[in-house]
This record gives sequence, structure tokens and C-alpha cells, in this order.
Amino acid sequence: DAKTTQPPSMDCAEGRAANLPCNHSTISGNEYVYWYRQIHSQGPQYIIHGLKNNETNEMASLIITEDRKSSTLILPHATLRDTAVYYCIVRVAGGGSNYKLTFGKGTLLTVNP
Amino acid sequence: DGGITQSPKYLFRKEGQNVTLSCEQNLNHDAMYWYRQDPGQGLRLIYYSQIVNDFQKGDIAEGYSVSREKKESFPLTVTSAQKNPTAFYLCASRDTPTNSYNEQFFGPGTRLTVL
Repeated sequence: DAKTTQPPSMDCAEGRAANLPCNHSTISGNEYVYWYRQIHSQGPQYIIHGLKNNETNEMASLIITEDRKSSTLILPHATLRDTAVYYCIVRVAGGGSNYKLTFGKGTLLTVNP
Repeated sequence: DGGITQSPKYLFRKEGQNVTLSCEQNLNHDAMYWYRQDPGQGLRLIYYSQIVNDFQKGDIAEGYSVSREKKESFPLTVTSAQKNPTAFYLCASRDTPTNSYNEQFFGPGTRLTVL
């Protein structure tokens, strides 16, 4: 699996957009970018994933650079409940030996009032 | 409501005792996983099962055992052989391995403290 690099922490004002970066310079062509988040003492929650096109859902937007070596997760209007650790994960899709997601230390996003 | 349940949320045990953590899902998912999380760290895979009656070791299986007798249940036993069992344990499940993406659903976790 490609390794990812994320800043250890970020702050954001409530109501503003939170932009969380992730570097994955060794990503290969068949690897997807996934984002999960984990609120303190809870299980991780899936947010979004993408291959090369930008993606948007009800929770967030994912912007992947054209060379796919980095991506940004955007929370358009951050709330206090968005305070969590955000994990960027790169992994192939499909079955077979595709059996796990490797979680690093992620980025602790703190949304301030 | 569909989801994954883990019980109990907090568990205390004396050193040297085996303890079993429960994980149940009603999502009809084939694959289930156990992860361990230590303070300030990411998740590490202990065991996983892609189908009933089958399971494989993850990255840190020593001192742990699992069973998968039913599709909806994947209990984890922390044995006395596990040197540092105090941690936050997370169970997850995923739809059939042939899906085109890999979204995992996580339970709320069990925080195990060995005294």
C-alpha cells in the first residue's frame, strides 16, 4: 500500500471550510484514496473515497490532484462536531487479498467556536 | 437499525485472565475485522475473516484468538499470552470482498484495561 503523509493537527473556525491535506506520492494507478474520521473514543467513520476525479457527498468533498500524488478533504462548513482525527488511506479496491485498511496517525482537526 | 455492536464498552480484567470481546453485525457483511488502537496511534489489524469458518492473522495476532462460526458474529479472545492487552479494540465489517471499493463499518469499540 502507498504510504500517506498528513499534518498531525489543524485548527478551523466554526462555520468556515476545513481543508485537510494528504500526500501520497507513491500511489499506484489502481489505488483509491479513502478518508475516515474518528471522534474521540468512537469507531472510525467512513467519509468519502475517490480514484482520480473529484468527489462530493453530503459530508465532504475530495479533491485529487491531476498527478494523484496528493489530495485534500474539504468540510465546507465545519461544526464543533467535526472535531476528530481524520485519516487519509490509500488502498486498492476489489477482493482477494484486499483485506484491510492501514490507518496511520491522521490529522487531529479541532474546530473552534 | 443495521449496524455493528460491541460489548461491553468498558472492560476490566486482572492480569493473567483470558477475556472475550463481543462483536455482532446485522449488515449481512461477509468480511469482519478486529483492530487494536493505542493512545495517539493509528489502528493495527489483529485478525480478519472474509467468510464464515475462515479467518487469517493480521499484523499483530500474537496473544489473540478468534472464531467465526456465524456470519454475524466475530468474537475476539485476548489471552494471557498478550503482553500489553490494555487498549481500545475496534471491530469492523465490510460487504463482500468483490465490491469495487472498500468501505468498512466500525463498531463503537471496547476499551479493555488489564489491572
